[in-house]
Amino acid sequence: AQSVAQPEDQVNVAEGNPLTVKCTYSVSGNPYLFWYVQYPNRGLQFLLKYITGDNLVKGSYGFEAEFNKSQTSFHLKKPSALVSDSALYFCAVRDWSGGNTPLVFGKGTRLSVIA
Amino acid sequence: NAGVTQTPKFQVLKTGQSMTLQCAQDMNHNSMYWYRQDPGMGLRLIYYSASEGTTDKGEVPNGYNVSRLNKREFSLRLESAAPSQTSVYFCASSGVGGGASTDTQYFGPGTRLTVL
Repeated sequence: AQSVAQPEDQVNVAEGNPLTVKCTYSVSGNPYLFWYVQYPNRGLQFLLKYITGDNLVKGSYGFEAEFNKSQTSFHLKKPSALVSDSALYFCAVRDWSGGNTPLVFGKGTRLSVIA
Repeated sequence: NAGVTQTPKFQVLKTGQSMTLQCAQDMNHNSMYWYRQDPGMGLRLIYYSASEGTTDKGEVPNGYNVSRLNKREFSLRLESAAPSQTSVYFCASSGVGGGASTDTQYFGPGTRLTVL
């Protein structure tokens, strides 16, 4: 069975500092990994995904994520946080054999960027 | 190109009442999904439809039914609402053509449901 863990419910960071939102996963085969962001009272917006190839994936709004197979992690990063990055972030996974089956989501991490 | 749309945006029901949440997508996607979002629980899958004419249960299907009306539309029905069904409901879709594990899911804006 597939699963995702986001070990931090809340991450606080000062504006201009780098940010990291952590995600670890468990799948039986090769993983396909996704990050979504949710702003207040909105739906989830796709940020980026890892399919294969380069372990560093670049996405929307200056975000990037690093796939680490040995640590089964896919942490979301941004070099310089903005107040407008404050939102709820979700990591999700699907394994290679699943066809177009539903993504499995983590519980989410609330990011607060303080001016 | 509206993407994924959901109606209504807000709804208040009394215990025992029924209602249907509507979802439509205009991206020619094959697969559609219903999730619920509760504080501290993340997104939990209720039902999904891998392709037109098929539906499958997710993690939390009890108390719900679904209908894949056509390729564009996927509705979620609460036959007898309970306070435990108070939640925010999201519809999503993915997969053009044959569909693949690499396909991205796209989400609607959500329906905020309160059951009194």
